[in-house]
Amino acid sequence: QKEVEQDPGPLSVPEGAIVSLNCTYSNSAFQYFMWYRQYSRKGPELLMYTYSSGNKEDGRFTAQVDKSSKYISLFIRDSQPSDSATYLCAIVGAQKLVFGQGTRLTINP
Amino acid sequence: DTAVSQTPKYLVTQMGNDKSIKCEQNLGHDTMYWYKQDSKKFLKIMFSYNNKELIINETVPNRFSPKSPDKAHLNLHINSLELGDSAVYFCASSQFRTGNSGYTFGSGTRLTVV
Repeated sequence: QKEVEQDPGPLSVPEGAIVSLNCTYSNSAFQYFMWYRQYSRKGPELLMYTYSSGNKEDGRFTAQVDKSSKYISLFIRDSQPSDSATYLCAIVGAQKLVFGQGTRLTINP
Repeated sequence: DTAVSQTPKYLVTQMGNDKSIKCEQNLGHDTMYWYKQDSKKFLKIMFSYNNKELIINETVPNRFSPKSPDKAHLNLHINSLELGDSAVYFCASSQFRTGNSGYTFGSGTRLTVV
């Protein structure tokens, strides 16, 4: 079983839609959770980071962690074509970042 | 002013050759990493150095040898390149004790072995 599982998509939605991206993880000891965004031919850039359970909001982005279910989510409101990218969930475990497979998202104008 | 810079950005080479990738960070972080991203975009850690000391060495062929001359630099040397080594290699850095605040990645080195 992989430490972090993420649906690779691809996911295609119309502009303005609410996007929901999800990951599950296996180790209940994980405490720090991150979302990275990666544009084509670029390096991953940190989008959101959360600690423990709960929600964290930053503009149109909301990160949610449910430790009881070992489930993390990223919501994008009022999605824009510029949000088209690959979104990677990542979890800090044993001195390293462990990534999900990444979800390729396309926002259609 | 680039925070984590890698050179070269692109590398095309023949099987059997030896090549190196260099990475430098100006963030003052004390830990640096090499990650490999395969064709399906999956990012997997290869090595990690903290203050020039190797702390993570995942299951990587010993043809790959990292070197950290100081905490701002991390290089990756690959011997006897194989077709399966084709991938994008990312360097990253973080502050070890507060690594949970995020890792900063370089823009990657796209290695193609022909």
